[in-house]
Amino acid sequence: SQTIHQWPATLVQPVGSPLSLECTVEGTSNPNLYWYRQAAGRGLQLLFYSVGIGQISSEVPQNLSASRPQDRQFILSSKKLLLSDSGFYLCAWSRTEPYEQYFGPGTRLTVT
Amino acid sequence: GQNIDQPTEMTATEGAIVQINCTYQTSGFNGLFWYQQHAGEAPTFLSYNVLDGLEEKGRFSSFLSRSKGYSYLLLKELQMKDSASYLCAWEDSNYQLIWGAGTKLIIKP
Repeated sequence: SQTIHQWPATLVQPVGSPLSLECTVEGTSNPNLYWYRQAAGRGLQLLFYSVGIGQISSEVPQNLSASRPQDRQFILSSKKLLLSDSGFYLCAWSRTEPYEQYFGPGTRLTVT
Repeated sequence: GQNIDQPTEMTATEGAIVQINCTYQTSGFNGLFWYQQHAGEAPTFLSYNVLDGLEEKGRFSSFLSRSKGYSYLLLKELQMKDSASYLCAWEDSNYQLIWGAGTKLIIKP
């Protein structure tokens, strides 16, 4: 069976500090990978998605970046966090078809 | 343009039935998903509709009308554990999901 891991579960970081969130998937190969952000009481905002190693598509302009150094590893980074970067960050994977997405447990980021 | 609407909040009684509606406007559509999200947790997949009609999975059913741009999630025999947000998302022609803001369902005893 497939599992998806995200860490850390919670993070408190000062404004201007760097960020690195990691996501890994087990039990499948060549998954589509996604990073979402969810503000409190809001829907999911797609940040990045990847259909393969080194292939990253960005959905919104921001101070975040993503990388996929290995087939089942997806990393979300920032060089300098802003207060507005606070939120619940979710990593998800899907097969090529069907496209239902399965989510990791999420990272709750608070920028202070 | 592309838009998806669902009610912000609904309240229902334990043991009852509730229907959560979702409407969308889009120029490209492949299917519609429903997810459940408990507070502080990640969303979990509930259902996927591609064709018009009703898909039943135990106490949960999902309906789709492509011509009307309309879907609903039907929850029967409500239990307290069903208190959660329910997210609808449509799948565009590039197989990306466009998410609604979610409907917070409050179950009262």
